[in-house]
Amino acid sequence: DAGVIQSPRHEVTEMGQEVTLRCKPISGHDYLFWYRQTMMRGLELLIYFNNNVPIDDSGMPEDRFSAKMPNASFSTLKIQPSEPRDSAVYFCASSLVGLPYYEQYFGPGTRLTVT
Amino acid sequence: AQTVTQSQPEMSVQEAETVTLSCTYDTSESNYYLFWYKQPPSRQMILVIRQEAYKQQNATENRFSVNFQKAAKSFSLKISDSQLGDTAMYFCALTSPGGSNYKLTFGKGTLLTVNP
Repeated sequence: DAGVIQSPRHEVTEMGQEVTLRCKPISGHDYLFWYRQTMMRGLELLIYFNNNVPIDDSGMPEDRFSAKMPNASFSTLKIQPSEPRDSAVYFCASSLVGLPYYEQYFGPGTRLTVT
Repeated sequence: AQTVTQSQPEMSVQEAETVTLSCTYDTSESNYYLFWYKQPPSRQMILVIRQEAYKQQNATENRFSVNFQKAAKSFSLKISDSQLGDTAMYFCALTSPGGSNYKLTFGKGTLLTVNP
């Protein structure tokens, strides 16, 4: 079975542009998480969904960030307008409430660079 | 609120030797799960080992084992027979599932370098 798929793997954009990151969770998983990783702040949870419904978006840094999950197999994280401080690695992870340890499986990440 | 603390930002070990990475945590929940994730230079987050708080027996996965001290809220990772491929950042993580809350809280990580 394929793992969590993220695209693109690398994104370089100019300040002010819109950026869209994409994620396909593991088939059958009912939880989807978006994380941001930076040297300064480590791994931060931005938002997570259960059965396509946003449950907690308290980690979303500001209104420039938005996330959607239109169906069980696809989610997007959008930044508009982007700023240099948004440069980070963005991870998507998925999980299933039936897993015995509630573990999360991560995608390969998207490295975003905003110049 | 739950917290995870990794007090060793960096460690190094010689190939074939044993190394222990430390992790302490805090949670008010009685039911929780602990994890160690490995992040090699490829940046992929790989689940290494997991432990349920209700289980007293320490988890083991091949060369990786944990020392789970529930009263002390300590969850250390031991890597035996270290290999060059073990060079990575290691993150300790905690989740306390309750209701629909499945947040993972991560420590800051320990960068492990295995030297030939």
